[in-house]
Amino acid sequence: GNSVTQMEGPVTLSEEAFLTINCTYTATGYPSLFWYVQYPGEGLQLLLKATKADDKGSNKGFEATYRKETTSFHLEKGSVQVSDSAVYFCALSDSGYSTLTFGKGTMLLVSP
Amino acid sequence: NAGVTQTPKFQVLKTGQSMTLQCAQDMNHEYMSWYRQDPGMGLRLIHYSVGAGITDQGEVPNGYNVSRSTTEDFPLRLLSAAPSQTSVYFCASSPSNRNTEAFFGQGTRLTVV
Repeated sequence: GNSVTQMEGPVTLSEEAFLTINCTYTATGYPSLFWYVQYPGEGLQLLLKATKADDKGSNKGFEATYRKETTSFHLEKGSVQVSDSAVYFCALSDSGYSTLTFGKGTMLLVSP
Repeated sequence: NAGVTQTPKFQVLKTGQSMTLQCAQDMNHEYMSWYRQDPGMGLRLIHYSVGAGITDQGEVPNGYNVSRSTTEDFPLRLLSAAPSQTSVYFCASSPSNRNTEAFFGQGTRLTVV
């Protein structure tokens, strides 16, 4: 079956630090990969996506590259802000029905 | 745009009670899903629907029923609530393409005592 593994949190950083959140996956087919973000008290919203190998998704300064050879989709940002504090979920979809398999989530805490 | 609307936002149930979590979307999406979010577990798929009249089970369907009589609505029913169903529930909708994003509601926080 499908699975997504992402690094445990919380990740605690100072403002303007570099961020990496690791994500690896197992899938039977050729999945699409996503990063979703959940701000406190809210639902999930899409941060970025990549639909095929070597694609790079990017949004709001965040980036992730679909690496088929290492089955990875690590999230990076060069300079985090306090407003980036949230829970980040890596997810995949490889069915025709858009259902998602999620990792457990990584909480990011950014201090001024 | 309302997007995906879930009601209620909070609910406390006693063990054995039944209730329905409502989900409505106004984007004319074919696909709708229910997930539960538990600490340290991420989100897990309960049930999903690929169109009106069609539903299927996800990873953790036991104790839950769904139906899809219209494109817009996808209610989740708990027939006899158990403490193990204490969780945050999210409804999502998406167009009929696995490469597109899913849109999530704000969630329903359910406590079963």
